[in-house]
Amino acid sequence: KAGVTQTPRYLIKTRGQQVTLSCSPISGHRSVSWYQQTPGQGLQFLFEYFSETQRNKGNFPGRFSGRQFSNSRSEMNVSTLELGDSALYLCASSLDVGDTQYFGPGTRLTVL
Amino acid sequence: GENVEQHPSTLSVQEGDSAVIKCTYSDSASNYFPWYKQELGKGPQLIIDIRSNVGEKKDQRIAVTLNKTAKHFSLHITETQPEDSAVYFCAALNTGFQKLVFGTGTRLLVSP
Repeated sequence: KAGVTQTPRYLIKTRGQQVTLSCSPISGHRSVSWYQQTPGQGLQFLFEYFSETQRNKGNFPGRFSGRQFSNSRSEMNVSTLELGDSALYLCASSLDVGDTQYFGPGTRLTVL
Repeated sequence: GENVEQHPSTLSVQEGDSAVIKCTYSDSASNYFPWYKQELGKGPQLIIDIRSNVGEKKDQRIAVTLNKTAKHFSLHITETQPEDSAVYFCAALNTGFQKLVFGTGTRLLVSP
């Protein structure tokens, strides 16, 4: 089976812009979670989707949003980018809630 | 909420030695504990996991132990090899939710 794929792999944006990141889960997996990884804060949970519904959300401002489509693919959006949003954004998929999570390679976002 | 502490932050060993990384968690409701290995430029890769109804699990050179009473779990790598060099993350999950809480990571360096 193909693993979790994320596009794009690298992205450079300027402050104030918005960005959309995409994640395709492992075939058959219905749950998708997003994490932000930075050197200072480590790996932090953003949100989780299951069957097109957001089930859980981390402590991030409303500028961070996401959605899941009927084929389980997910997107996350960050509006009004700030320098501090520079990070590796990771997507993880699992068969169901509470199952093992498998990570994609991440999208490296740089905000200038 | 859950808090996971991980020690040490860096660990240097000689090839062939054993390496031990320890984590403690705060939420007694957490019942799933995965370990991930992250190499430079890649997403975290699951290497082993354990659920709260098991005290120990082994997979070749890797083992994980769990002490629910003390709320700590450890990763043991025997006969280390240079390719084991990476950052290792422990995590804890309450399977009623999908929010993995990660430790701060251990950078393992195995010298030939």
